[in-house]
Amino acid sequence: KAGVTQTPRYLIKTRGQQVTLSCSPISGHRSVSWYQQTPGQGLQFLFEYFSETQRNKGNFPGRFSGRQFSNSRSEMNVSTLELGDSALYLCASKEGKNEQFFGPGTRLTVL
Amino acid sequence: GENVEQHPSTLSVQEGDSAVIKCTYSDSASNYFPWYKQELGKRPQLIIDIRSNVGEKKDQRIAVTLNKTAKHFSLHITETQPEDSAVYFCAASEGSGGSYIPTFGRGTSLIVHP
Repeated sequence: KAGVTQTPRYLIKTRGQQVTLSCSPISGHRSVSWYQQTPGQGLQFLFEYFSETQRNKGNFPGRFSGRQFSNSRSEMNVSTLELGDSALYLCASKEGKNEQFFGPGTRLTVL
Repeated sequence: GENVEQHPSTLSVQEGDSAVIKCTYSDSASNYFPWYKQELGKRPQLIIDIRSNVGEKKDQRIAVTLNKTAKHFSLHITETQPEDSAVYFCAASEGSGGSYIPTFGRGTSLIVHP
């Protein structure tokens, strides 16, 4: 099976812009979670989608949003970008209580 | 919300030594405790996990122990090798039926000297 894929791998944006990141889970996996990784805050949970519905949400402002499509692919959107949004954004997929597999991440730089 | 403390932040050992990384958590509702290894520039990978109904789990050179009463869990790596060098993250998660809400520790940078 192909692993979790994320596009784009690198992105440079300026403050105030918005960005959309994409994640394709492993085939058969219905749960997709998103994480933000920064040197200062570490690895933080953003949200989890399951069967096109947001099942869980972390402690992030409303500028961070996401959605999941019927084929389980997921996108996350960050509006009104701030310098502090610069991070590695990771998605991960799983099925049931099984192991979670991470994608390679999207490195977002906000200038 | 959940708070996870991880220690030490850096651990330097000689090849063949054992390494122990400790985490404490605050929310007694947490019931799933995975450990991830992240090599430089790569994605995190699950190396071992434990659920709250188990006290210890082993997988070759890696073991995890859980003390629910004290709310702490530890990762033990024996006979360390240079390829074990990486950042290790613990997490505490609550949820049921596959739902997963993890809180991560800040990570431990393990350096194994040949």
